[in-house]
Amino acid sequence: GENVEQHPSTLSVQEGDSAVIKCTYSDSASNYFPWYKQELGKRPQLIIDIRSNVGEKKDQRIAVTLNKTAKHFSLHITETQPEDSAVYFCAASSHRGSTLGRLYFGRGTQLTVWP
Amino acid sequence: DADVTQTPRNRITKTGKRIMLECSQTKGHDRMYWYRQDPGLGLRLIYYSFDVKDINKGEISDGYSVSRQAQAKFSLSLESAIPNQTALYFCATSGQGYTGELFFGEGSRLTVL
Repeated sequence: GENVEQHPSTLSVQEGDSAVIKCTYSDSASNYFPWYKQELGKRPQLIIDIRSNVGEKKDQRIAVTLNKTAKHFSLHITETQPEDSAVYFCAASSHRGSTLGRLYFGRGTQLTVWP
Repeated sequence: DADVTQTPRNRITKTGKRIMLECSQTKGHDRMYWYRQDPGLGLRLIYYSFDVKDINKGEISDGYSVSRQAQAKFSLSLESAIPNQTALYFCATSGQGYTGELFFGEGSRLTVL
């Protein structure tokens, strides 16, 4: 099955700085890469995703990039704010026709943004 | 609001006891999942079900069993709980469409003494 590795496990940044979280995957058939954010004491929620036919996707201060050749994808958060502090999970899956298979998650990154 | 509901939210039990965690959803999704979360280990899949007649093992199914009673209900059982099953458990659902977004319940914190 798929193996997703995520780095770093913890990340501390000053408010206003950028944060980058990186993930690698092993299965070349994977073509769907979501990112989930889990605030303290809350449930994980999808914040952004990217498909393999796209190299980059942006949504306000967050962006995700994908390098299919190298099998890695990254989450970029610019102008970080204290409310960005959370655990972030990357994941990978593959489509079979129009059906998405199960997700494989990385181990998570604890991001702390200091005011 | 359509949601994913887990019961109980917190449970303390003793080694050897049978425990059931229940999940119900009003999202109309066919797919349901049980994940376990431990610090530093992320979200690990225990079992998943893509429809009422479909049950699949995840990467850590040993010591657990599941039942898909209806499209909207998916329960997780620990037949004989042990201390290393102490964790936060999440139920999740997703639709069959191309997006595949997971919608998580609020979690069930289980402590096995």
